[in-house]
Amino acid sequence: GAVVSQHPSWVICKSGTSVKIECRSLDFQATTMFWYRQFPKQSLMLMATSNEGSKATYEQGVEKDKFLINHASLTLSTLTVTSAHPEDSSFYICSARDLSGRAALGEQYFGPGTRLTVT
Amino acid sequence: AQSVTQPDIHITVSEGASLELRCNYSYGATPYLFWYVQSPGQGLQLLLKYFSGDTLVQGIKGFEAEFKRSQSSFNLRKPSVHWSDAAEYFCAVGALEGNKLVFGAGTILRVKS
Repeated sequence: GAVVSQHPSWVICKSGTSVKIECRSLDFQATTMFWYRQFPKQSLMLMATSNEGSKATYEQGVEKDKFLINHASLTLSTLTVTSAHPEDSSFYICSARDLSGRAALGEQYFGPGTRLTVT
Repeated sequence: AQSVTQPDIHITVSEGASLELRCNYSYGATPYLFWYVQSPGQGLQLLLKYFSGDTLVQGIKGFEAEFKRSQSSFNLRKPSVHWSDAAEYFCAVGALEGNKLVFGAGTILRVKS
């Protein structure tokens, strides 16, 4: 149980194009999903908190117009990197909290990550 | 604001030897503490968590961690390391506001045969 998937697992795109990454909770409902960015050999940096049916909450320094987040249902959140540039190349990881309360406070289930390379 | 410090960037141990990964946190209230493991190019897997009660927590894969409030620590231990344990380990503290997780910088574990 508590499986989170991401699609695609890797993507290469040209500079200036937009890329959409999906995050799905497969066997539970998640009102809250989180998007992280991880640079090589570094820790996870929280980008934004995605709440179903409302606007995402972005961390300080994260451009909301560049990283568009949509949480359309209790099992799906998407991150769109708009007008991507090489500096956006990174490993993007999503996580989700279980609505049912099985998960203890603060516990998150993580997806496998998406490797984005912008050329 | 809460923070997590993992003082060791890299640790190398011999297969079969014991392991301890250090984690110190800063948080004003009772912390919710987690250890995650990440294999290269993969997401994070929860090893164990502490919320309250017994300060010695058992996790998966033979790992355990001990919460010491007086030292603001939550060190991860394993009595006998296997080659498959080579990975990066992250300690995290959960914040009540926004249910966020704050991660440490991570410790890369190498296992030599």
